[in-house]
Amino acid sequence: AQTVTQSQPEMSVQEAETVTLSCTYDTSENNYYLFWYKQPPSRQMILVIRQEAYKQQNATENRFSVNFQKAAKSFSLKISDSQLGDTAMYFCAFMMRGYSTLTFGKGTMLLVSP
Amino acid sequence: DTAVSQTPKYLVTQMGNDKSIKCEQNLGHDTMYWYKQDSKKFLKIMFSYNNKELIINETVPNRFSPKSPDKAHLNLHINSLELGDSAVYFCASSHTFTNQPQHFGDGTRLSIL
Repeated sequence: AQTVTQSQPEMSVQEAETVTLSCTYDTSENNYYLFWYKQPPSRQMILVIRQEAYKQQNATENRFSVNFQKAAKSFSLKISDSQLGDTAMYFCAFMMRGYSTLTFGKGTMLLVSP
Repeated sequence: DTAVSQTPKYLVTQMGNDKSIKCEQNLGHDTMYWYKQDSKKFLKIMFSYNNKELIINETVPNRFSPKSPDKAHLNLHINSLELGDSAVYFCASSHTFTNQPQHFGDGTRLSIL
C-alpha cells in the first residue's frame, strides 16, 4: 500500500516570500502520478499541480513549482511570491498509473501574512 | 457553470436518521468518486464509479450505499447515521478511470447530533 507523509502540520510565510512544503511517499511502483491540492477556508479542493513520475522535468504552474526527487521519493511544493490568497491547507496526493484513486497526506496548513 | 456540484452544502441531523447527498458533474466525465474528510482533515476514498458501475469500495460500512443513475450523477445514501459519520463528504470526477486528475465538488458538511 502507498503512503504519503507531510511532516509539516503548519507553516507560516510573509507575503511576497517563498515557501516550500514537504511531501514524501512510499511505494514499490515505478509509474505513478503525484499531485498537490489546495483547500482554502472555503473548503473547495483545487488542483494546484501534477507530476508524472516518468518525467524527469519538474512541473511548474505560474508561481507554483515542484522539486521531484524520485529516488528519494520526495515531492516538495515551492510557492514563490506568496499571496494572501495562498492561505490554505495543502495536500500532497499519490496515484498509481493505471488507477484513479488518490492517496492523500494529512495536509500542511499554510498561513500567508501581510 | 459549476463543474461538480453537491447538495446540500450542510446537513445537520440526528443519530439514527437516514440521509442522502447528491452529486452531479457537467464535465462529461466517466468516473465519479466519494471521499470522506474527517475532523483532522484527513481525506480518504470511499467509492469510485465508472460509467455507473462500482469500481472501488474501500471497506465502507454497508450503511453507506452509493447510487449512480447515470454517469453524470453519483448520490450517497447513508442509513442509521452514527456520531462517527460526522465529516465533510466530497464528490469528485475524472475524465476516465485511469491516470486522470480529479475535480472536486465543494463538499457537504454532515453533522450528527
